[in-house]
Amino acid sequence: EVQLVESGGGLVKPGGSLRLSCAASGFTFRTSTMNWARQVPGEGLEWVASLSGDDAWIYYTDSVKGRFTISRDNAQNSLYLQMNSLRADDTAVYYCVKGDRWSGWDSWGQGTLVTVTS
Amino acid sequence: DIQMTQSPSSLSASVGDRVTISCRASQGIRNDLCWYQQKPGKAPKRLIYGAFTLESGIPRRFSGSESGTEFTLTISSLQPDDFATYYCQQHNDYPITFGQGTRLEIK
Repeated sequence: EVQLVESGGGLVKPGGSLRLSCAASGFTFRTSTMNWARQVPGEGLEWVASLSGDDAWIYYTDSVKGRFTISRDNAQNSLYLQMNSLRADDTAVYYCVKGDRWSGWDSWGQGTLVTVTS
Repeated sequence: DIQMTQSPSSLSASVGDRVTISCRASQGIRNDLCWYQQKPGKAPKRLIYGAFTLESGIPRRFSGSESGTEFTLTISSLQPDDFATYYCQQHNDYPITFGQGTRLEIK
């Protein structure tokens, strides 16, 4: 069974940094494209970043380019999102998601809440 | 960017009703479309992938169809557990985009 468990969310001031982690199990992590998505409470879903299994390519949504960095450790079956220069509009539940462009996204973590406020 | 226009944004229906939710893509996306169900405080759950393939374990009252750039999710006979918010998502190209969501409420 696929399991994705996020951690690292919390309260941070504008301009601050936070690192989210996602522990993956139940599938072959090193060959799987992984993604981060987010959702402002009460609003819709937004794709944030994607990273291929072999680190060959990365994509970011425009609003986080230059501020967020997606990375992975295939030896530890872990996905990360380093978030710098955080803004109030980055406040959201962040989800770790398994899936790629060819078959879509099939498994989501439970999410971790990031709140950016002074 | 590929825009996904989902309608309606909200829908009131009764148990046993047949409901349809639509998503229109701003350009061709082949069948690279998924439908998700989300309940309050929970992560989205995929119902359908490839526009019409039912995820394992999802009841057969859910179905998906496609006509060009128009995609439809149909629930043939609403059950109490189906009242939730539904999203479409295209994964044909980056940026990956979602519809705005349809909130399905009990009438």
